[in-house]
Amino acid sequence: SQKIEQNSEALNIQEGKTATLTCNYTNYSPAYLQWYRQDPGRGPVFLLLIRENEKEKRKERLKVTFDTTLKQSLFHITASQPADSATYLCALGPRDMRFGAGTRLTVKP
Amino acid sequence: GAVVSQHPSWVICKSGTSVKIECRSLDFQATTMFWYRQFPKQSLMLMATSNEGSKATYEQGVEKDKFLINHASLTLSTLTVTSAHPEDSSFYICSARGRGGSETQYFGPGTRLLVL
Repeated sequence: SQKIEQNSEALNIQEGKTATLTCNYTNYSPAYLQWYRQDPGRGPVFLLLIRENEKEKRKERLKVTFDTTLKQSLFHITASQPADSATYLCALGPRDMRFGAGTRLTVKP
Repeated sequence: GAVVSQHPSWVICKSGTSVKIECRSLDFQATTMFWYRQFPKQSLMLMATSNEGSKATYEQGVEKDKFLINHASLTLSTLTVTSAHPEDSSFYICSARGRGGSETQYFGPGTRLLVL
């Protein structure tokens, strides 16, 4: 069965550092992968989409990589800020979105 | 653009009653809507997928007679939790995907249901 794993349940880093979150999947060949941010008690907010034929995508301080051989995506937040503290979810497409359990990121001032 | 609303944002009801949750795409036409359930500190669990004008497709283990989904128009889908019980208490989130093979799902703010 399809499995999506995000490397850790929680990640704590110091403000200004780069946060790196990992999403691994098995038994699936997604056409694309998406990253979402979710704040407590709120619905997820779309951040970035990367397709299977793309290696890397950037948006402001965010960078996503996609390695279909390793079946892995890395999500980076550079120059992290306390406001980046949230749970980050990866999701695989296309037919319907399957989500990982999420990584709760805390950026300490 | 791409705003999805849900109503109500929270609801408390007695065991045995039915609760209806509305999901609306405000500025785009949603050919497909999804309903998720999320328990505390857990990820989103897909309950069902609905396409406008057709019956919803339910995930394994989700009772279709208990969680009634109606996708009557391109901007509205409803989820009715029938004869709710305390174990149905959860955070319910809808999402919508637009026309033309759009890949991104846009999520509503969620509805917190507490069944007493």
